[in-house]
Formats: sequence, C-alpha cells, structure tokens
Amino acid sequence: DTEVTQTPKHLVMGMTNKKSLKCEQHMGHRAMYWYKQKAKKPPELMFVYSYEKLSINESVPSRFSPECPNSSLLNLHLHALQPEDSALYLCASSQITRDEQFFGPGTRLTVL
Amino acid sequence: KQEVTQIPAALSVPEGENLVLNCSFTDSAIYNLQWFRQDPGKGLTSLLLIQSSQREQTSGRLNASLDKSSGRSTLYIAASQPGDSATYLCAAINTGGFKTIFGAGTRLFVKA
Repeated sequence: DTEVTQTPKHLVMGMTNKKSLKCEQHMGHRAMYWYKQKAKKPPELMFVYSYEKLSINESVPSRFSPECPNSSLLNLHLHALQPEDSALYLCASSQITRDEQFFGPGTRLTVL
Repeated sequence: KQEVTQIPAALSVPEGENLVLNCSFTDSAIYNLQWFRQDPGKGLTSLLLIQSSQREQTSGRLNASLDKSSGRSTLYIAASQPGDSATYLCAAINTGGFKTIFGAGTRLFVKA
C-alpha cells in the first residue's frame, strides 16, 4: 500500500467554525507533513512530525493545530480561520531514513 | 537560507520531443532533491528522489541529475507525450531534517 489518504476532499467553513482535516498512511512511515498550497504557487511546509513528535513548526498561526495520535494518522485542527487561509492542504509522509515524500490528494478548504 | 528556482516557468513542446527542466538551489550542503508532477487541483506525484550522495536517477523515460557543486538539478523527459502535460516541481529536502523547500514549478504542455 503506497497511498496517503486525506479526508474530506472539500471543506467549506465559516470563520467561527471548528473543523479538522485528517490524513492516513499505512506505509510504516514515521515522518508526516502538512503543507499549504495556494493557487498557482508551490506547496509551503507547515508542520513535520517525526516519531509522532512535532519536529518542525514553520511559524504557523495558532489557529492551525496539528496532532499526530499514532504513527499512521495526522490531523490538522482548524479554528477561527480567515478567508486568506483558503487553499489546498496537502499531507505527505516519508521514511525517517529516506527523504522521499509521498503526498495525498489534498483537502480543498474554503473559508467564508 | 535555501532558495529553489525553476526555469523555464512554462514550456510548450510538440509530442515526441525530448526536453530538459532545470532546478537550481542556493545551499547544496546536505540536501536531497526530489522531483514531482502535479496535475491541476491534485496532489503531488513523486517522480524521482536523488539523495545528496548520488548524481543521477532514472525511471522509465525520466532521468534526473544532481550537481551539488553548481547547485543544479535537471529533469530530462524523453519522447514526450500529451499525458506528460502537468506542472513539474523540484524540492530541496534537508537531509534528516525534513525541512523542504519547493521551486515554483515548470508548467509543461505537450501538444499532440
């Protein structure tokens, strides 16, 4: 199984809502990543988890809260987002000893 | 600070042509280099990973090279096909540190 899955595919939320994005992989990878991608721009790294511990936080606003409950799952909790947070949110995973990253299909988020 | 640049930004070629996409980076010290393709509105598909100790990787019609001394990587696509039309992204990955920086991408269109 070489697949990273993400749910939901699309999400529309208001600025006062709380929602969560979910990412799952069963490749035995112990590094997992969240990226944000705006239209016609490259992905920007947000967070990295290594062995279920947060190892990189690229100065992301606290309205984004990551969580890694186990080695297969990665969540991104969203609260009080702004319209400029509308983007494609991508999850990726890799082995610790080999940096090749595998991406999920993304969640298209729209904040109204 | 690592910066990654891709040239050209866009490329249109007739079917069957061989082509080269370029990626340059400013800090080659301990970075691996990964090439991806992205179809519109989709996630990223891994094409090739070149680890910092390697100079070249091949997969089918694709060949990627890495020259750390000049801070350059090239992706060679042989006998291009309309199905190759996509955006091609290169990413510099800090070895063992997970920090990943993408280039802005090259939008490729292969005409039938």
